[in-house]
Amino acid sequence: KAGVTQTPRYLIKTRGQQVTLSCSPISGHRSVSWYQQTPGQGLQFLFEYFSETQRNKGNFPGRFSGRQFSNSRSEMNVSTLELGDSALYLCASSWDRLSSYEQYFGPGTRLTVT
Amino acid sequence: KNQVEQSPQSLIILEGKNCTLQCNYTVSPFSNLRWYKQDTGRGPVSLTIMTFSENTKSNGRYTATLDADTKQSSLHITASQLSDSASYICVVTRGDQLIWGAGTKLIIKP
Repeated sequence: KAGVTQTPRYLIKTRGQQVTLSCSPISGHRSVSWYQQTPGQGLQFLFEYFSETQRNKGNFPGRFSGRQFSNSRSEMNVSTLELGDSALYLCASSWDRLSSYEQYFGPGTRLTVT
Repeated sequence: KNQVEQSPQSLIILEGKNCTLQCNYTVSPFSNLRWYKQDTGRGPVSLTIMTFSENTKSNGRYTATLDADTKQSSLHITASQLSDSASYICVVTRGDQLIWGAGTKLIIKP
């Protein structure tokens, strides 16, 4: 079974631009979650999508948004990028509610904002 | 406040030695507790998931213990290998919310 894939793996953007990251979950998984990880920080939960609906949201500004498609693939968008948005963005999929089922993480997208 | 605290922050041990990482939590109510291993620059990989009724769970050389009364968990690594060098993260579930610890950075020296 193929694992969680994320594209692109690396990205360099300029402050003020916007960016879209993509995540393909493991086949059959319906829940996709997004996390931000900065150096020295733990994983910060962004949001969880299940069956195309946002089920949970962390404490991030509205510049961070996401969506999930009917095939469970998910995208995350960050608008008006700030230097502090430089981070590793991780996507995780699970069969159902991430709070009850095993989460499988992708390799992450390393975003650098200059 | 619902928190997960891990200790030590970092640990260096020699290859072949055992070690124990600690996780204390104040999360309530509690659904399950997880341990993840995260190699630098990569996504976390699940090691164990334990419900409140489980005391011990093993995954190869990794053994997690849970004391739901004292709200403490530990991850014991036996006969460490160089590939065990990573961050180990404790996560406690409260309802639909996953509360992540800051992790323990483990370095195995040859």
